[in-house]
Amino acid sequence: QSALTQPASVSGSPGQSITISCTGTSSDVGAYNYVSWYQQHPGKVPKFMIYEVSNRPSGVPDRFSGSKSGNTASLTISGLQAEDEADYYCSSFASGSTWVFGGGTKVTVL
Amino acid sequence: EMQLVESGGGLAQPGGSLRLSCAASGFIFSSHWMHWVRQAPGKGLVWVTRIDYDGSTTRYADSVKGRFTISRDNAKNTLFLQMSSLRAEDTAVYYCAKGGFYGMDVWGQGTTVTVSS
Repeated sequence: QSALTQPASVSGSPGQSITISCTGTSSDVGAYNYVSWYQQHPGKVPKFMIYEVSNRPSGVPDRFSGSKSGNTASLTISGLQAEDEADYYCSSFASGSTWVFGGGTKVTVL
Repeated sequence: EMQLVESGGGLAQPGGSLRLSCAASGFIFSSHWMHWVRQAPGKGLVWVTRIDYDGSTTRYADSVKGRFTISRDNAKNTLFLQMSSLRAEDTAVYYCAKGGFYGMDVWGQGTTVTVSS
């Protein structure tokens, strides 16, 4: 049950696109299409942003998109906005019917 | 509106016990798996445990296996987390969350557990 690997920080200017990677193993990210992403603003509750690799729940802007290749999933934010500045976490269903989160990525809007 | 409200957090001594509750409303509680996720101060999210619809199947993170027990009362729309043999490293905000294979789509506001002498 090792945590998924995310970059500690990613930054971009308003309007730009950024991508956050989430690397796991053949026992979690690589084995299942059950990768999800969460946004957390400081002091707030995590918000469900992406499920099953690339699906957006109702209400999530379409500038957020997800993908996966092999053992690595990615979250892309297009047209970066000031309110996107937050921590982002990936999560994956894993062998043994458990779940694992990534360590989190701090997104800074320059 | 779907809502989860945790309670039961507080200060516990190392080796002690604490029972968290999570009251659900706005959805059919008995139709969904439920999770507990924790976040230590200044740290990331960590999955702790999950329970299936009727409580017949549970899974735990290695770090809490044998010390924590998840359960549910579908008649009262309530999820529980019994924590025992508490350690300093269990200090965190504990969130309950509704979810399945797809992820965790509804989260409570969290309840804070502090383990200290």
